[in-house]
Amino acid sequence: DTGVSQDPRHKITKRGQNVTFRCDPISEHNRLYWYRQTLGQGPEFLTYFQNEAQLEKSRLLSDRFSAERPKGSFSTLEIQRTEQGDSAMYLCASRSQGPLTYEQYFGPGTRLTVT
Amino acid sequence: GQQLNQSPQSMFIQEGEDVSMNCTSSSIFNTWLWYKQDPGEGPVLLIALYKAGELTSNGRLTAQFGITRKDSFLNISASIPSDVGIYFCAGHYGGATNKLIFGTGTLLAVQP
Repeated sequence: DTGVSQDPRHKITKRGQNVTFRCDPISEHNRLYWYRQTLGQGPEFLTYFQNEAQLEKSRLLSDRFSAERPKGSFSTLEIQRTEQGDSAMYLCASRSQGPLTYEQYFGPGTRLTVT
Repeated sequence: GQQLNQSPQSMFIQEGEDVSMNCTSSSIFNTWLWYKQDPGEGPVLLIALYKAGELTSNGRLTAQFGITRKDSFLNISASIPSDVGIYFCAGHYGGATNKLIFGTGTLLAVQP
């Protein structure tokens, strides 16, 4: 078990460009979450997948953001036409399918800087 | 977005001291989680609490699920330099939503 991995760890992009991040959850976890964290704040929920189905989206997830989990394993988060306000740490977390556990395990994050 | 209130915002202590921090909410949660985050890394899960009044330990860390279900507490005993970091509480409502609501964080600095 290698934990949740995210790629890339850092991304610098110019305003207006598109970026895509990847998350590989813990292998036996069927639930996957994306969060965004800005400096000095706690993580804020963006979206949730159970297997390949996207079941919950935050209002923070504007129409420039799209997330997929096509085969129920890894997930991608794409931001189109990036803005400076998109600069943040993007965190992925996964959870096992047990009904009585809500423990989410986080990856190392992708730090996005929009210039 | 919604964030829980954590107190204190920051703590500067000497190695060996005990630490207490808390997290409060205006809403009831069914689950409380505590995480530690180092700079540039993702949060690491420390303790999970599932019942009101529950007291759970993980080494030198002890956390409690408040009986009102609107608060939680984390204690660290005999702090060491590697305890440095930001501690976050997170609450889960249960039911249809799956998201965690995080606190604003407590920054802990430990002087050797």
